[in-house]
Amino acid sequence: GEDVEQSLFLSVREGDSSVINCTYTDSSSTYLYWYKQEPGAGLQLLTYIFSNMDMKQDQRLTVLLNKKDKHLSLRIADTQTGDSAIYFCAWDTGRRALTFGSGTRLQVQP
Amino acid sequence: EAGVAQSPRYKIIEKRQSVAFWCNPISGHATLYWYQQILGQGPKLLIQFQNNGVVDDSQLPKDRFSAERLKGVDSTLKIQPAKLEDSAVYLCASRPRGAGETQYFGPGTRLLVL
Repeated sequence: GEDVEQSLFLSVREGDSSVINCTYTDSSSTYLYWYKQEPGAGLQLLTYIFSNMDMKQDQRLTVLLNKKDKHLSLRIADTQTGDSAIYFCAWDTGRRALTFGSGTRLQVQP
Repeated sequence: EAGVAQSPRYKIIEKRQSVAFWCNPISGHATLYWYQQILGQGPKLLIQFQNNGVVDDSQLPKDRFSAERLKGVDSTLKIQPAKLEDSAVYLCASRPRGAGETQYFGPGTRLLVL
């Protein structure tokens, strides 16, 4: 089955860039996603990338995909305190359900 | 456009009791999912519906969990009897037709089993 790994915790200062990483062992997914979850809230889709792309930029967000190394990353430029949350990478399974990573807690210090 | 609605938002029960959660997906979304999110983990799929038919329930503990989606719109997820390890957030999501569309999640129901 799928195995997705994420680092547990990341702390950055306001205004710095944040990079959240995700690795996986095996997947035939077509789409890969990044979701944000704030305390007590549901999951909010941030961005997604098609599996035949290497990079996607969306305002302050940059997604990089390295299929050879099975590595996905999310870069947040000019990180703000409102970006503090848990970030999940996720994969689209063959039946279009999602497999999620374990989540990375991002803490932004003023 | 209204989002995915779930109720109740919170529920506290004792072990061996029964509980039911309700989900109303976004209008017109054919696919509906229930996920279980245990504290400190990512969500895990319990069951997936396409209209009112089950697509995948391989991860659903069928000895105690059941779900239905009558008329292909609303859905209910039931646990009977509940165990301590069922304490989690239960997330409902829906997805429109078409390649590339992602899932839209509801706010979740937080269940605590004592």
